[in-house]
Amino acid sequence: DSGVTQTPKHLITATGQRVTLRCSPRSGDLSVYWYQQSLDQGLQFLIQYYNGEERAKGNILERFSAQQFPDLHSELNLSSLELGDSALYFCASSVGGRRGEQFFGPGTRLTVL
Amino acid sequence: EDQVTQSPEALRLQEGESSSLNCSYTVSGLRGLFWYRQDPGKGPEFLFTLYSAGEEKEKERLKATLTKKESFLHITAPKPEDSATYLCAVDDTGNQFYFGTGTSLTVIP
Repeated sequence: DSGVTQTPKHLITATGQRVTLRCSPRSGDLSVYWYQQSLDQGLQFLIQYYNGEERAKGNILERFSAQQFPDLHSELNLSSLELGDSALYFCASSVGGRRGEQFFGPGTRLTVL
Repeated sequence: EDQVTQSPEALRLQEGESSSLNCSYTVSGLRGLFWYRQDPGKGPEFLFTLYSAGEEKEKERLKATLTKKESFLHITAPKPEDSATYLCAVDDTGNQFYFGTGTSLTVIP
């Protein structure tokens, strides 16, 4: 158990809908990262927040947005969902802002029908 | 285009048969290279961080090394429990973070 929690574990929704994925980092970790993992594209870095501020942005679509709250938990919002958004979404956390040792959560499996 | 390439895609070893996994990268500037292990349906688990060419890190049967353009993960006398996908990731000076597609390792008893 990495200490990172993600909810929900599974999510099934329809195209065009909007969903919110939630992540609670390990106690004491200030950085939160979001990743998308699909069979054809592997693990893709989406975005990093450090202590409430956006630190780095990767291949995140404009339909996706994220935020980190004062209590350091984070949410990833996915809107106007498409079939291709079906994937495993992982959250990870680390102590500092530098992308060193990251602890990954168990993931949320999103299925868009 | 910056990228991280891992080879081979899949590797089957007999228990005790040592081998190496490769991660080559083409980024503008390297801030750090990371190795992770991922079991099916689970999140990646951190193994090593390497920051500069010539650096080496060891943990049990695993040893990671780094040169200017690639990293190797050496597995000595592997056991079936070492079966997993091994992922390499690169943090570059352009503030981007790239994962390779991984090497799926199967160790046969």
